[in-house]
Amino acid sequence: AQSVTQPDIHITVSEGASLELRCNYSYGATPYLFWYVQSPGQGLQLLLKYFSGDTLVQGIKGFEAEFKRSQSSFNLRKPSVHWSDAAEYFCAVGGFSGNTPLVFGKGTRLSVIA
Amino acid sequence: GAVVSQHPSRVICKSGTSVKIECRSLDFQATTMFWYRQFPKKSLMLMATSNEGSKATYEQGVEKDKFLINHASLTLSTLTVTSAHPEDSSFYICSARDRGESTDTQYFGPGTRLTVL
Repeated sequence: AQSVTQPDIHITVSEGASLELRCNYSYGATPYLFWYVQSPGQGLQLLLKYFSGDTLVQGIKGFEAEFKRSQSSFNLRKPSVHWSDAAEYFCAVGGFSGNTPLVFGKGTRLSVIA
Repeated sequence: GAVVSQHPSRVICKSGTSVKIECRSLDFQATTMFWYRQFPKKSLMLMATSNEGSKATYEQGVEKDKFLINHASLTLSTLTVTSAHPEDSSFYICSARDRGESTDTQYFGPGTRLTVL
C-alpha cells in the first residue's frame, strides 16, 4: 500500500535561514509527488509537483524539491525562509488509477523565529 | 494553478438543522471531487469521493445518510450535513481532481468552518 512519511512533526528555523522538510514515500511504481502548504484556517495550496523528467522541481514562493528514487524521497527546500512561510506543510503521493485520492503525510509544522 | 472555490467559508447553525457546503472547480472540469474533514492540528481525513453523475463512495465510519454528497455537474459538488450536532463542528475541505493527458493534480478549496451550537 502507498504511504508517505514526514519524519519531522515540528521544525523551527530562523528567518533568513535555509529550510529542508523531509518526505519519504512507499509506492511500487513511479509516483506523482506533491507538496502542499496550509496556513491556519485555510485550504491547501499546491507548492509544486513532480510527474517525470527533471528530478529538481521548482515551485511557487521560492520553494524547490528534489525527487531521489534511490532514497524514495522528495524533500522540500528553500534557501532563505521568510516569516510568512510559517505554516503546515504536507507531502503527498498520487497519480493512482481509478478514483483513488492522494495519500498524505501527517504534515510538518514550520515555525519561523526572528 | 487551477482554482477551487468553496462556499460558505464559515457557517454557524443550531443543532438539528442542515447545512449545505458547495465546492466548485472554476477553470477545469472535475469528474472526481473529494471531501475531507480536518480536526485541529491534525491531517486531513478523507470522508468521501464524489463522482459526477453517480453515487459518492464513503470511507469507513462516515455516515452516508448524515453527510449527503451530490456531484450534479463537472464543476460542482455539494456536501450537506443533515441534522447537525455539535460533534459535527469541524473544518471541511473539498478537493477537485484535474486529470488529463499530462496532468493529474488535486486542487483544494479554502475550506468551510462549521460550528454547530
